[in-house]
This record gives sequence, structure tokens and C-alpha cells, in this order.
Amino acid sequence: AQSVTQLDSQVPVFEEAPVELRCNYSSSVSVYLFWYVQYPNQGLQLLLKYLSGSTLVKGINGFEAEFNKSQTSFHLRKPSVHISDTAEYFCAAFHPNTGNQFYFGTGTSLTVIP
Amino acid sequence: GAVVSQHPSRVICKSGTSVKIECRSLDFQATTMFWYRQFPKQSLMLMATSNEGSKATYEQGVEKDKFLINHASLTLSTLTVTSAHPEDSSFYICSARYGGSDTQYFGPGTRLTVL
Repeated sequence: AQSVTQLDSQVPVFEEAPVELRCNYSSSVSVYLFWYVQYPNQGLQLLLKYLSGSTLVKGINGFEAEFNKSQTSFHLRKPSVHISDTAEYFCAAFHPNTGNQFYFGTGTSLTVIP
Repeated sequence: GAVVSQHPSRVICKSGTSVKIECRSLDFQATTMFWYRQFPKQSLMLMATSNEGSKATYEQGVEKDKFLINHASLTLSTLTVTSAHPEDSSFYICSARYGGSDTQYFGPGTRLTVL
């Protein structure tokens, strides 16, 4: 079975500090990886995705993530966070050759402290 | 591009009534739509996958007769919660994907409260 693990359920960080949200996946086949952000009482918004090619992916709002195949990780980073980054972040995996299903992690709640 | 809307955004109903939630892809044709349920502080739980013009595929443990899904056109899918009970109260989110796309685009969600 495929799975996505987000190691940190809550991450508090001071404003303008850097942050890393961790994500690991389990897959023996080719996988696409995604990060979504969810603000309170809203749906999910795509931050960035990795399909193939360069392992460093840049997304919206200054976020980036690096695909590391040997460590099966896809950690999300931002060098300097803002108050408006406070939200829930979900990592997801999609296997293009094995159907439609996305596998979501349990989410990481990022709280930016002023 | 790739905007998905949901209606209503919030609904409160009495126990025993049925509630219909609409999910629309506004600027693309969604060959596949997904319905998720999200409990407070938890991740999304996939309920079912629907392809336009065919029956939905439900995940294990999801009652087909309780959560009726219809995907009659390439831009509209509906989820009907029949005979709703308080335990059905949740945040329901739909997403859509067009043929060949690698990405799911999510709607803003519907907050269902059953009294």
C-alpha cells in the first residue's frame, strides 16, 4: 500500500524565520508529489508539484520543495515566513500508472508567531 | 484556470432530511471528480471517485445508498447525503481532474451540520 507521512502535526515558527515541513512517501514505482495549503474553512490550494526533471521545485508564495528519491522525501521549505502563511499543509502522492487516487498525508499545522 | 466551485458553502439541516451538494468545474471539463470528507484537524478521506456518465466507485466503508453521487456532465457532480444524521456532520470537499492531467483541483468545501 502506498502512504504519505508528514512527521510533524504542528509547527510553530516566528515571523520571518525559515521553516521546513517534512514529508516522506512510500513507493516503489514512479510517483508524482504535491503540496497543498488549506486555509480555515476553505478547500485545498496547490502550492507546487513534482512530476519529473529538476528535483528542486518552486511554487507559489515563496515556497519550494526538493524531491529526494534516495530518502523518499519531499520536504517543503520557505526561507522567511509571514503571518499569512499560517494554515494547514498537506503533502500528497499520485501514481500515474495505478489509477486516480491521491494519497494524502495527515497534514501539518503551521502557525506563524508575530 | 482550473477553478472548481461548490454549492452551498454551508448548510444546516434537520436529522432525517437529505442534502445535495454540487461541485462544478468552471473552466475545464472534468472527466473525473472526487469527493472527500474531512473531520476537524484531520486529513482528507476519499469517499468516492466518479467518471462522467458512469457509476461512482466508492471507497471501502462508504455507504453507497447514503452518499449518492451523480456525475451527469463533464462540469457537474453532485453528492446527496440521504437521511442525514448528526454523525454525518463534516466538511465535504470535491476535486476534479481533466483527462491526462496530473493534478486534482479542489473546491472550497461545504460545511454540513446536521442537528
